[in-house]
Amino acid sequence: EPEVTQTPSHQVTQMGQEVILRCVPISNHLYFYWYRQILGQKVEFLVSFYNNEISEKSEIFDDQFSVERPDGSNFTLKIRSTKLEDSAMYFCASSESRSPVYEQYFGPGTRLTVT
Amino acid sequence: AQTVTQSQPEMSVQEAETVTLSCTYDTSESDYYLFWYKQPPSRQMILVIRQEAYKQQNATENRFSVNFQKAAKSFSLKISDSQLGDAAMYFCAYRSKGGSEKLVFGKGTKLTVNP
Repeated sequence: EPEVTQTPSHQVTQMGQEVILRCVPISNHLYFYWYRQILGQKVEFLVSFYNNEISEKSEIFDDQFSVERPDGSNFTLKIRSTKLEDSAMYFCASSESRSPVYEQYFGPGTRLTVT
Repeated sequence: AQTVTQSQPEMSVQEAETVTLSCTYDTSESDYYLFWYKQPPSRQMILVIRQEAYKQQNATENRFSVNFQKAAKSFSLKISDSQLGDAAMYFCAYRSKGGSEKLVFGKGTKLTVNP
């Protein structure tokens, strides 16, 4: 069965550095999402992306964050200047359709540690 | 804004027994979807079961069923004949039917299955 994959599984970075988290969505999916989970807290929505544009973003998704689909397969989340509070598990998800009838398929996550 | 609450951080069940995981939510919308996702250790979240608020009949998927009480804003998950492979983190999630694509998650319940 097709799966969403994410790399790396764990990223350690120093405060102020830029990081890029990578995701390969399921190949026929057109809708892409990033969520994050700070340790001990809820999984939170960051952004949704369709047709090379952001379709929705949360208040967490400020100017430090950006998303891109650089080619036909990858979907990336960039954090420009990481802060300690960006340490979290970041999940990518993809879906065939924006309708809630269609499942959002999640990747295994990237654990980001900012020191 | 919608919120989802899972009041049981951890639950345990004996193999072959039945367990119920609780979830309550808050919304002013009349039509929406509710989901239970399962996240095994070090694996991605997978959809277990979905319920549309307009459907009165409770959803069932094999050993998994829900008790959806719309007026009480309650959406519990029942796992029958528990198996060792059911051990995982279970997340309850809410999604609007129209408009926003984001999933709103609860904090999760860690289910342990004892042999």
